Amino acid sequence: DAGITQSPRHKVTETGTPVTLRCHQTENHRYMYWYRQDPGHGLRLIHYSYGVKDTDKGEVSDGYSVSRSKTEDFLLTLESATSSQTSVYFCAIKAATLGQETQYFGPGTRLLVL
Amino acid sequence: AQKVTQAQTEISVVEKEDVTLDCVYETRDTTYYLFWYKQPPSGELVFLIRRNSFDEQNEISGRYSWNFQKSTSSFNFTITASQVVDSAVYFCALSVQMDSSYKLIFGSGTRLLVRP
Repeated sequence: DAGITQSPRHKVTETGTPVTLRCHQTENHRYMYWYRQDPGHGLRLIHYSYGVKDTDKGEVSDGYSVSRSKTEDFLLTLESATSSQTSVYFCAIKAATLGQETQYFGPGTRLLVL
Repeated sequence: AQKVTQAQTEISVVEKEDVTLDCVYETRDTTYYLFWYKQPPSGELVFLIRRNSFDEQNEISGRYSWNFQKSTSSFNFTITASQVVDSAVYFCALSVQMDSSYKLIFGSGTRLLVRP
């Protein structure tokens, strides 16, 4: 258990509405990531953060923004949700276990955009 | 291009059979890491193993073993004496260096069904 929670766990929303997903960690990890999981694609990186107020884009960042105002929270915002953003969203942190840095994932948020 | 290929979309075995999940990767990085994650039906992603590119020693952990062959760019995962609880989707992943960290490139996953 890497001490990561995500909220909400499930959400149904309508096209065009803004949506914010929250990732919360309790162990002061510097690096946090947002991935999306879609059938046939595995997981793909949306955005990541390397510190408070320090973020950068991943490979599928269009339509998403992020913010990190404190170490423990990393927010993912869909400015105007579209049906193509229906997906399962996973937050991850990078932590060292036995000297090896590894990404550990939260439980996921299932988002349905109607 | 940097990519991970898991050619087996779905595998079905009977309990106690051995099963190997294939993973082939492409990378231009000289140093990289390979990972396996398990996603059971409950949906969470469980870390199984990380392997460094400079360490080709195979690893065994209980019923699980991993075979890393740099010459063939493969990192295969074998479950010995499979059990019903092994039923899950298994993802292989490759690290790709970014400015200050690395991201993971995932394969599309292999769904393993172990029948009693």
